[in-house]
Amino acid sequence: ETGVTQSPTHLIKTRGQQVTLRCSSQSGHNTVSWYQQALGQGPQFIFQYYREEENGRGNFPPRFSGLQFPNYSSELNVNALELDDSALYLCASSLYGLAREQYFGPGTRLTVT
Amino acid sequence: GENVEQHPSTLSVQEGDSAVIKCTYSDSASNYFPWYKQELGKRPQLIIDIRSNVGEKKDQRIAVTLNKTAKHFSLHITETQPEDSAVYFCAASEGGSFGNEKLTFGTGTRLTIIP
Repeated sequence: ETGVTQSPTHLIKTRGQQVTLRCSSQSGHNTVSWYQQALGQGPQFIFQYYREEENGRGNFPPRFSGLQFPNYSSELNVNALELDDSALYLCASSLYGLAREQYFGPGTRLTVT
Repeated sequence: GENVEQHPSTLSVQEGDSAVIKCTYSDSASNYFPWYKQELGKRPQLIIDIRSNVGEKKDQRIAVTLNKTAKHFSLHITETQPEDSAVYFCAASEGGSFGNEKLTFGTGTRLTIIP
C-alpha cells in the first residue's frame, strides 16, 4: 500500500451543490495530481499541484479547482455539481521531475443525484 | 494532446499461461510509460514502468517492451496466477512543458485467469 490517503471514502451530493475532496501525499512527495475515473474507464487527468500552484490542467471546466498546502496535501473542489461528475476521484502523489512514478490514493467515490 | 489506445479490452488466460496487453500512443514526445493494476474497488497500483531510453524492462513475471519508432508498448505477464486477475491500465506521459508527468491512460484490459 502507498502512503497516500484520501477523504472521505464515499460522498453523495445533489446536483448544483459543491464538494471538497482531500488528499494527503506520501511522505517525501511534493506533487499531487488529481484524476477522475468514471465507471469502466481509465483515469482522466484533472490537474496537478506543485509548490502550491497549479502545474498543468486537463480538459476540465473551471468549476473544478484545487489547492495545495505547505505540507503538500491537496484539495479538489467541484462547484455546481452535475450528474456526470459522479465518478471515483483519485489523487496521486509524486516527486517533482521528469518521468517520476505516481502513486495513487484509494479514491473518493462521488455520487451526484 | 496525447491519445492512448489499449487492446484487448478483455482477456481470459489459463492459469500458468502468458498474457500480453498492447498499447499505442500518439505523441512522439511522450517519454514515460507506466502500467497500473486495479483490483475491484481498489486504487490503481503501479506494477512496472519504462522510460523512453530503454527498450525492455523485466521484474520477475512481468515485463514491458517499448518500440518508440512504432509508438507502441506492451505488458507481458508469464506464468499467470489467479491473483493476476484485475484490470490493467497502460499510460503515457506528455512531458513537454510539464516538470512532472501528466498521465494519459488507456481504456483498460480486464484480465481473467482461469484456474
